[in-house]
Amino acid sequence: DAGITQSPRHKVTETGTPVTLRCHQTENHRYMYWYRQDPGHGLRLIHYSYGVKDTDKGEVSDGYSVSRSKTEDFLLTLESATSSQTSVYFCATRHLEETQYFGPGTRLLVL
Amino acid sequence: GQQLNQSPQSMFIQEGEDVSMNCTSSSIFNTWLWYKQDPGEGPVLLIALYKAGELTSNGRLTAQFGITRKDSFLNISASIPSDVGIYFCAGLSGGSYIPTFGRGTSLIVHP
Repeated sequence: DAGITQSPRHKVTETGTPVTLRCHQTENHRYMYWYRQDPGHGLRLIHYSYGVKDTDKGEVSDGYSVSRSKTEDFLLTLESATSSQTSVYFCATRHLEETQYFGPGTRLLVL
Repeated sequence: GQQLNQSPQSMFIQEGEDVSMNCTSSSIFNTWLWYKQDPGEGPVLLIALYKAGELTSNGRLTAQFGITRKDSFLNISASIPSDVGIYFCAGLSGGSYIPTFGRGTSLIVHP
């Protein structure tokens, strides 16, 4: 357990609206990740961060942006939500060579 | 990119039976991780393996890091209904920030 919280835990929004999901950790882990999980696709990496203000794209980054202004917070923004972004979003953290820990997830429905 | 094949995709077993699942990779990993995801929750780390040939147990769970470093196995002995969930493997290469995940094995245990 890495003290990871995600907010909101559930959200319903409309196509075209901006959405921001927040991940907060209390363990001072260096690396943070955003994944989406969809049936048949498993966990797919959206973006990750290897330090404050240091971020990079994952395999499914189109339509998403991230920011990390503090060690403890990693924000995921959908600039203009689409129905294909309906998913369950997981934040994860990792510290140096240690293993990766996951948050409880955010269920997003885009109508 | 790296590929991780996890099998079987799903298993339906009777309570008390033993379970075996595995992951194979086209590339070498330095670390293997096994996670369990309960419905509606985030993945929780079960076992971490750091050395080729390593065999590690956690209660009724036993995992092995393959000698070739391209595979790993997870066994569950004497399954119980609360073992139901999705089991994921993940591999980490040396110096990489990003684990590669398998697509998961869905386990259903009939009482």
